[in-house]
Amino acid sequence: DTGVSQNPRHKITKRGQNVTFRCDPISEHNRLYWYRQTLGQGPEFLTYFQNEAQLEKSRLLSDRFSAERPKGSFSTLEIQRTEQGDSAMYLCASSLVVSGSKETQYFGPGTRLLVL
Amino acid sequence: EDQVTQSPEALRLQEGESSSLNCSYTVSGLRGLFWYRQDPGKGPEFLFTLYSAGEEKEKERLKATLTKKESFLHITAPKPEDSATYLCAVQALHSGYALNFGKGTSLLVTP
Repeated sequence: DTGVSQNPRHKITKRGQNVTFRCDPISEHNRLYWYRQTLGQGPEFLTYFQNEAQLEKSRLLSDRFSAERPKGSFSTLEIQRTEQGDSAMYLCASSLVVSGSKETQYFGPGTRLLVL
Repeated sequence: EDQVTQSPEALRLQEGESSSLNCSYTVSGLRGLFWYRQDPGKGPEFLFTLYSAGEEKEKERLKATLTKKESFLHITAPKPEDSATYLCAVQALHSGYALNFGKGTSLLVTP
């Protein structure tokens, strides 16, 4: 069990550029979550997938954000036309849910984005 | 609307000085309450899940308890390596499976 991995770990971009982050969940975990965390705040939910289906998106998720999990394994989060307010740590979490069982979300190390 | 409030925002303890962190929550139907530890620049590390009032869980120097309105994380005889931010999150029955986090308590344990 290698844990949740995220790439890149750091990204610096200029305002208006597009960026894409990747998350590899723990093997065989069927749920994958994206959160965003800014300094001094707790993580804030963005969206989640059950296998390849995107089941929920936060109302806070701008149209500039899109996420995919094409084969129910890794996921990508793309931000188009980045703004300075997008600067944050983007966290991925995964969990294994079996019908009726309880769920624990395990987080990756995060991708820190800085928009100049 | 679900709310999670953690107190204090920051706590400084001497090594060996026991204390408690508080997590107050408002949710219409609790699926679970979670405690995580987060070191600077890293992702949250899972500690405990509590599901019903009266439940308690322990791990080394940490003990988590749950009532209908709040949860406590008790730290007994802390060591400098316990220094971190401790995050509390709730998962509500009505709002899918997203975790709703508090802002965390930043704990510093000095030798």
